[in-house]
Amino acid sequence: GAVVSQHPSWVICKSGTSVKIECRSLDFQATTMFWYRQFPKQSLMLMATSNEGSKATYEQGVEKDKFLINHASLTLSTLTVTSAHPEDSSFYICSWAGLAKNIQYFGAGTRLSVL
Amino acid sequence: AQKVTQAQTEISVVEKEDVTLDCVYETRDTTYYLFWYKQPPSGELVFLIRRNSFDEQNEISGRYSWNFQKSTSSFNFTITASQVVDSAVYFCALSEGQGAQKLVFGQGTRLTINP
Repeated sequence: GAVVSQHPSWVICKSGTSVKIECRSLDFQATTMFWYRQFPKQSLMLMATSNEGSKATYEQGVEKDKFLINHASLTLSTLTVTSAHPEDSSFYICSWAGLAKNIQYFGAGTRLSVL
Repeated sequence: AQKVTQAQTEISVVEKEDVTLDCVYETRDTTYYLFWYKQPPSGELVFLIRRNSFDEQNEISGRYSWNFQKSTSSFNFTITASQVVDSAVYFCALSEGQGAQKLVFGQGTRLTINP
C-alpha cells in the first residue's frame, strides 16, 4: 500500500485564491521531505527541501513567500500556494526520505489548475 | 553540478519487443545514487530501482534489467518482451552524497507500447 498520502489529488481554483496541499507519511517518520513541481510534459523540478523543526530551503527561482511550506511534524507537511495565478498551474508532488535515506517515497501528486 | 540526460524523448515499439532507455549522468561526487522511476498517466511516481556509485553490478528483475557503467556515466534500463502496461514516462534520477538528498531528474522518456 501507499506509504505517502497526498491530498487533494486535483484542485481547480480562481486566480488570487490560496490552495493548501497536504502530504503525510503513513508508515514511517522522517525529518526530511521534498516538494517537486512538474509542468506538462516536463520533468520534475525540486522546489524546496524541508526539515522538521526548521525553515524550508527553497531552490533558486522559487518564491518562498508564495509557496509556504509548513513541516508540522515527522509525518505531515503542507504546501500552500498563496494568491495562485494561472502560471502556477502545475503538478505538485511531495516526497519523504525513508529510513534508507537515499530512497524517496512520493505522494500521488496534486494537479492544480488556476483559472 | 549534477545533471541527468535522457536523450530519448519518446520511444514507440510494438508489444513483445525489447526496448532500452538511455540515461547519462554528470556528477563530481564519488558517492552518489542513481534511480529509475516510472510515471504512468495517473502521475504517481513508481520507484523501480536504486543503485549506489560503488556497486556496478547489473541487476535483473523479471523483465527489467539495468546496466550501470561508471566508465561511460550511464545507467541504462532495458525492458524485455515489452507489454502494453509498460507504457509510461520513465525518469532517471541522481542524488549526490549520503543521507536525504534531493533528486535531480532527467527529462524523461515517454514509452509507448503498441499492441
